[in-house]
Amino acid sequence: QVQLQESGPGLVKPSETLSLTCTVSGGSISSHYWSWIRQPPGKGLEWIGYIYYSGSTNYDPSLKSRVTISVDTSKNHFSLKLTSVTAADTAVYYCARGRSPRFVLPFDPWGQGTLVTVSS
Amino acid sequence: EMVMTQSPATLSVSPGERATLSCRASQSLSSNLAWYQQKPGQAPRLLIYGASTRATGIPARFSGSGSGTEFTLTISSLQSEDFAVYYCQQYNNWPPITFGQGTRLEIK
Repeated sequence: QVQLQESGPGLVKPSETLSLTCTVSGGSISSHYWSWIRQPPGKGLEWIGYIYYSGSTNYDPSLKSRVTISVDTSKNHFSLKLTSVTAADTAVYYCARGRSPRFVLPFDPWGQGTLVTVSS
Repeated sequence: EMVMTQSPATLSVSPGERATLSCRASQSLSSNLAWYQQKPGQAPRLLIYGASTRATGIPARFSGSGSGTEFTLTISSLQSEDFAVYYCQQYNNWPPITFGQGTRLEIK
């Protein structure tokens, strides 16, 4: 079965760029839609954006100016970059897959998540 | 933007009893609604999609109903492992993809 694993720095300084990678195992990234979602401590879920294996993307309008999601099919992973971070970007970041190949939603499965703290 | 409102914020139920969680949408969703379960320190898990279809491996005690703007997640006989936070998510009118604020199901 497909498994997703997030990786990247757990601490980022304010104004710098947050970079995370989601590695897909047990299946090919060259199908399905792949998303990033985040959850600030003690709060709810916020969608960040998605990418299709072909490279097409869609982002949450509130984050669009700061977000880039990319895919590397040769490494079976996709990545998130979020620029000019502030403390408000502190969250657990999850990657997830669209449940079936033709649809972005719903999300199934999810990675275990990785906490990113923005602090100097 | 579609706004999803879950109620109650916290629900206290005894093991073995039935739990009913609600999700209301600000606009009609048809049946494009999913429910997720999140336990402390874990990622969300898909329970229900299409408003009423159980995801793979989800026990039959979980059921979803509703259409349009009113949706319900019912857990027929609560087990200890069911105490968690539950989120609804709409996928009819996006972006943005929006979630409800969650209902915390706690042991009474």
